[in-house]
Amino acid sequence: QLQLQESDPGLVKPSETLSLTCTVSGGSISSSDYYWGWIRQPPGKGLECIGSIYYTGSSYYNPSLRSRVTFSVDTSKNQFSLKLSSVTAADTAVYYCAKVQQLVKWLDPWGQGTLVTVSS
Amino acid sequence: QSVLTQPPSASGTPGQRVTISCSGGSSNIGSNIVNWYQQLPGTAPKLLIYSNNQRPSGVPDRFSGSKSGTSASLAISGLQSEDEADYYCAAWDDSVNNWVFGGGTKLTVL
Repeated sequence: QLQLQESDPGLVKPSETLSLTCTVSGGSISSSDYYWGWIRQPPGKGLECIGSIYYTGSSYYNPSLRSRVTFSVDTSKNQFSLKLSSVTAADTAVYYCAKVQQLVKWLDPWGQGTLVTVSS
Repeated sequence: QSVLTQPPSASGTPGQRVTISCSGGSSNIGSNIVNWYQQLPGTAPKLLIYSNNQRPSGVPDRFSGSKSGTSASLAISGLQSEDEADYYCAAWDDSVNNWVFGGGTKLTVL
């Protein structure tokens, strides 16, 4: 079945750019039915959707993060990526990638998540 | 401050029935389907209910969902100790063109 796996950047310094990649296995990232999403969860807090990208590159963004976020997709590698610029400690979180069914229906499955810590 | 409103906590004893509410608005729950996620400690959220009231394969029928207007609820009957987890509601929001979540409800099995 479809599985997603986030890369592990670990520690990112304040003001730098956080880069994450999600690798999709067991299915094609180019399916017409799917968007691909990024969700984050600060330690001990709730879930926040950063946005979603289609295999063509069409994207939707969380308005509060839009100015700092860049999404990309590499269909040859079955991967999609997130870049978040000018990070601060407030960006410390577990970052998840997920398959988004037809953009508005549901998010499933999710990757296992990766903790990104912003600290000098 | 989450767009969807959930109680921060809920509890029950084994065998009891517990409900968790999720309140939103016309741009999210009022016009789109609601999903529920279960997050066990240290793990990724797992889809528990989709399309308001549908259970993915493998989810026990003790879990059920409903929606009315701009509110939704998750019911868990025959509560078991392994149901102790955080539960989140989610819906697409047409006004921000993004997914919005509830703040999460921590369920304790007493």
